[in-house]
Amino acid sequence: GAVVSQHPSWVICKSGTSVKIECRSLDFQATTMFWYRQFPKQSLMLMATSNEGSKATYEQGVEKDKFLINHASLTLSTLTVTSAHPEDSSFYICSARVGQSTEAFFGQGTRLTVV
Amino acid sequence: AQSVTQPDIHITVSEGASLELRCNYSYGATPYLFWYVQSPGQGLQLLLKYFSGDTLVQGIKGFEAEFKRSQSSFNLRKPSVHWSDAAEYFCAVGATGYQKVTFGTGTKLQVIP
Repeated sequence: GAVVSQHPSWVICKSGTSVKIECRSLDFQATTMFWYRQFPKQSLMLMATSNEGSKATYEQGVEKDKFLINHASLTLSTLTVTSAHPEDSSFYICSARVGQSTEAFFGQGTRLTVV
Repeated sequence: AQSVTQPDIHITVSEGASLELRCNYSYGATPYLFWYVQSPGQGLQLLLKYFSGDTLVQGIKGFEAEFKRSQSSFNLRKPSVHWSDAAEYFCAVGATGYQKVTFGTGTKLQVIP
């Protein structure tokens, strides 16, 4: 199957700093990428959907200015957590797909810890 | 709005035993249903999906699932579990295929010798 690489796998940052997470489709061009957040013992919650070259569409309750998403190319999307706080600590995972009706492939996720 | 319930948070089975993971969904029309597996430190991998047609769906790694509209269920089964099946399993429902997929809270499977 197609490969989606997410980097870094884990990161620890100080409160107030910003952290960037990258999501790359390695062997296909992803027209759409999704960003999810997973709290412990909870399910994945969709944060936003991004289409290459367009502004991301955020789900209700997700702060656009805090979670900046950029999908500048067909193989790369980035999620920047700005002015991170301990409550932003979570597991962030991306997925990518080609077209509207194809399977979305998931990255391995990023464990963010804000101290 | 669509929703998914996985009533079992944690299940332990012996290696070689059969497995059934429960999933109930809520959606007004015919749903698109998925089962994903997440191994520790890994992303989600699609095990199988139901879009239409035969209600018994075969997936990878020997898994199958049956869509039962009358019970709003899409339970995952495997006749003989292997130690490598230990992971977390997520059921998901989508309104239009892979768009806007809603995940359940997951079932963690432990396999004992």
